[in-house]
Amino acid sequence: SQQGEEDPQALSIQEGENATMNCSYKTSINNLQWYRQNSGRGLVHLILIRSNEREKHSGRLRVTLDTSKKSSSLLITASRAADTASYFCATGFGNEKLTFGTGTRLTIIP
Amino acid sequence: DAGVTQSPTHLIKTRGQQVTLRCSPKSGHDTVSWYQQALGQGPQFIFQYYEEEERQRGNFPDRFSGHQFPNYSSELNVNALLLGDSALYLCASSFLGPGEKLFFGSGTQLSVL
Repeated sequence: SQQGEEDPQALSIQEGENATMNCSYKTSINNLQWYRQNSGRGLVHLILIRSNEREKHSGRLRVTLDTSKKSSSLLITASRAADTASYFCATGFGNEKLTFGTGTRLTIIP
Repeated sequence: DAGVTQSPTHLIKTRGQQVTLRCSPKSGHDTVSWYQQALGQGPQFIFQYYEEEERQRGNFPDRFSGHQFPNYSSELNVNALLLGDSALYLCASSFLGPGEKLFFGSGTQLSVL
């Protein structure tokens, strides 16, 4: 079963704009991770945020976590064509038995 | 440094057959996890291997089995294939422990006809 739900399911923006996608989950966690998947192939780890953290940055990525609302958001600033991909949040305890959401398909229009 | 490698990349089988998928973890990693990703869905956890033992298992029937070898490589076996087993099968490796990120292979696309 899927733990989380990403919102929106699909997002199209112009290159250079910011993209924001959200993730909601159901059970308690000790960390939340975001992954990117290009063309239905392997996933690439983007960022991990722990349950005692509220915000984390990595390059053009900004992740927030609100454990009281059981939600997280991923912001990609100054989007590029290469950011076109599906983005998934995943919850779990460390790397054990990660539970992935349903994903957001992001399309960057050049 | 090679990342996670999976073979084969594509596979076509018929219902009732058996299939074996293979995975070589990233150099130095000791833990291998397998995920099934149906079209349009997120990956779902099948099981995880560490020190040649199955540590955790998701909600998959016994038709799904695995193995980890002393060199940390792993196999996923699926018996009595069903049409619903058609999916992308992803292998991920990592170090065992909290906060360790997963490194994924490119997956094996299995089609069951």
